[in-house]
Amino acid sequence: QSVLTQPPSASGTPGQRVTISCSGTSSNIGSNNVNWYQHLPGTAPKLLIYRNNQRPSGVPDRFSGSKSGTSASLAISGLQSEDEADYYCAAWDDSLNGRVFGGGTKLSVL
Amino acid sequence: EVQLVQSGAEVKKPGESLKISCKGSGYTFAIYWIGWVRQMPGKGLEWMGAIYPGDSDTMYSPSFEGQVTISADKSTSTAYLKWSSLQASDSATYYCARPYIDQSMNDAFDIWGQGTMVTVSS
Repeated sequence: QSVLTQPPSASGTPGQRVTISCSGTSSNIGSNNVNWYQHLPGTAPKLLIYRNNQRPSGVPDRFSGSKSGTSASLAISGLQSEDEADYYCAAWDDSLNGRVFGGGTKLSVL
Repeated sequence: EVQLVQSGAEVKKPGESLKISCKGSGYTFAIYWIGWVRQMPGKGLEWMGAIYPGDSDTMYSPSFEGQVTISADKSTSTAYLKWSSLQASDSATYYCARPYIDQSMNDAFDIWGQGTMVTVSS
């Protein structure tokens, strides 16, 4: 049972916009930044969004993040086949004094 | 180029000890926290703990405290994850990762190692 809650799966067709949610509590998302990672099997996770809505250089602007209260979301617009991957949200948890991850969302591009 | 390079895959028997490594290059290793993340087969990412190589300040997730030991040698820019007695449930891929801001333990990981697969089987 992960501290942050994500839907296990999401899907969309090429060109569509999909959103992945991440729910937490006041000790993690409610008081700290949220980061999002993309993980393809057999590779290292890749940072997509940091500090709730900031994109590292090289990450397409099709990816965007937002946060409100104790929830956050990742939006992917103009869905492409190469976006098929697992997506994880993460945040610092003040009560646990450590990082926590969501359980991950497997995105399928139909 | 900033990178973290991890040691290779390991196959061990239950009860054996193991130490895997994560070597940093292209940056000042001592001033960035290094975290360790576990991914069990078919499961999600779990933060295990972290170390600040500059003074070896270490923190552990409650789930992993006492189960593993995190250490670092700043002279060789290498962090380590050690088990004294492996169990089958330790079979997983282990990643080391570095936050994008120096001296920050809680910012996003922007640099990741390639992962080390550990298989524990009799």
